[in-house]
Amino acid sequence: ETGVTQTPRHLVMGMTNKKSLKCEQHLGHNAMYWYKQSAKKPLELMFVYNFKEQTENNSVPSRFSPECPNSSHLFLHLHTLQPEDSALYLCASSQEVEINQPQHFGDGTRLSIL
Amino acid sequence: DAKTTQPPSMDCAEGRAANLPCNHSTISGNEYVYWYRQIHSQGPQYIIHGLKNNETNEMASLIITEDRKSSTLILPHATLRDTAVYYCIARYNFNKFYFGSGTKLNVKP
Repeated sequence: ETGVTQTPRHLVMGMTNKKSLKCEQHLGHNAMYWYKQSAKKPLELMFVYNFKEQTENNSVPSRFSPECPNSSHLFLHLHTLQPEDSALYLCASSQEVEINQPQHFGDGTRLSIL
Repeated sequence: DAKTTQPPSMDCAEGRAANLPCNHSTISGNEYVYWYRQIHSQGPQYIIHGLKNNETNEMASLIITEDRKSSTLILPHATLRDTAVYYCIARYNFNKFYFGSGTKLNVKP
């Protein structure tokens, strides 16, 4: 039980499809994050939300669109993705965006673009 | 943010202590050292973190040298389930941290 739940666990989609990834945290945290983990590469931070407000967009292409309706839920809307977007997408949360607060991760969504 | 250096892989016998080193020679005074691990097909799992004092919790111990240029994560009695990639991270601004390549720990029976 990680406290951070991501759905779906696996997703296969074509380049013209539109889909959404969902993340929910049950830890009472106020900060949420999206990361991308490609094969044999370090984790890449994509977006940061603190108290529902986006505080970081790490030069992510516009085909990825995040949404944070409340502090417990985070979505990543996907459209017209490219094959190189195939990766593990991880959601994390922390109490707040502060220097000594560990992040807690979900198990990710394995995304494959055909 | 300080760059960290870890060996790419290590072996450990089941039941023995696993000592995973990390070099962070450029760490600044306000950067914490964090350790995470990632088991195949799961998300990273938080293990422990510290600033300058040694830390211990139910999972592991963290030993930080006095000059803070390196640290060691100790798993006191490694089990097969501890086989994972272990990441050492030195961060000041935690909303933007770099995982690096980590150490692949192989616990063998």
